[in-house]
Amino acid sequence: DVKVTQSSRYLVKRTGEKVFLECVQDMDHENMFWYRQDPGLGLRLIYFSYDVKMKEKGDIPEGYSVSREKKERFSLILESASTNQTSMYLCASTYNPEGNTEAFFGQGTRLTVV
Amino acid sequence: RKEVEQDPGPFNVPEGATVAFNCTYSNSASQSFFWYRQDCRKEPKLLMSVYSSGNEDGRFTAQLNRASQYISLLIRDSKLSDSATYLCVVNDNYGQNFVFGPGTRLSVLP
Repeated sequence: DVKVTQSSRYLVKRTGEKVFLECVQDMDHENMFWYRQDPGLGLRLIYFSYDVKMKEKGDIPEGYSVSREKKERFSLILESASTNQTSMYLCASTYNPEGNTEAFFGQGTRLTVV
Repeated sequence: RKEVEQDPGPFNVPEGATVAFNCTYSNSASQSFFWYRQDCRKEPKLLMSVYSSGNEDGRFTAQLNRASQYISLLIRDSKLSDSATYLCVVNDNYGQNFVFGPGTRLSVLP
């Protein structure tokens, strides 16, 4: 079974703190994604990576950065946390053959910024 | 216009009912299509892929109409355990760009 693991289920951070959200997958997937999910807005793509040290901006990259130093690990960084970044953060990974691919998700990190 | 739109919901149906979810997408170059299920406070999980010829998995049937850019999911004989949010997902570039619809919440009532 593919496993995508996020480092924390729940986090509470203060405004202005630097926050690291870690995601690790164990199936040698090329692609990894970070989403945030908010009521009424669905899942919105923050950043994705299709290879080590490669990254692409998603729909809402402002206030975030990412790091992919190893294939299995994709980190989301909030440089200076703000209250509007309170959300559920979901990491996903996919294998990249030509054709249909399934995205496997981590269990999510519910971040509260106070 | 949003890239992927779904019925706003919520849908509240009695056990045993048949329920249909609709989804439209705006990018005609989209390659792959999926329905995901998300339980409350859990991560999304793949329910089924959607193929051009239509496909069925037990009580679930998915249809794709590329000309109309429309995807559907039909659930027959609904169970209490079907209660969840159903997400329509469109993939534009072989796994590199998933676009999620906002989801439709289903509550199956006893």
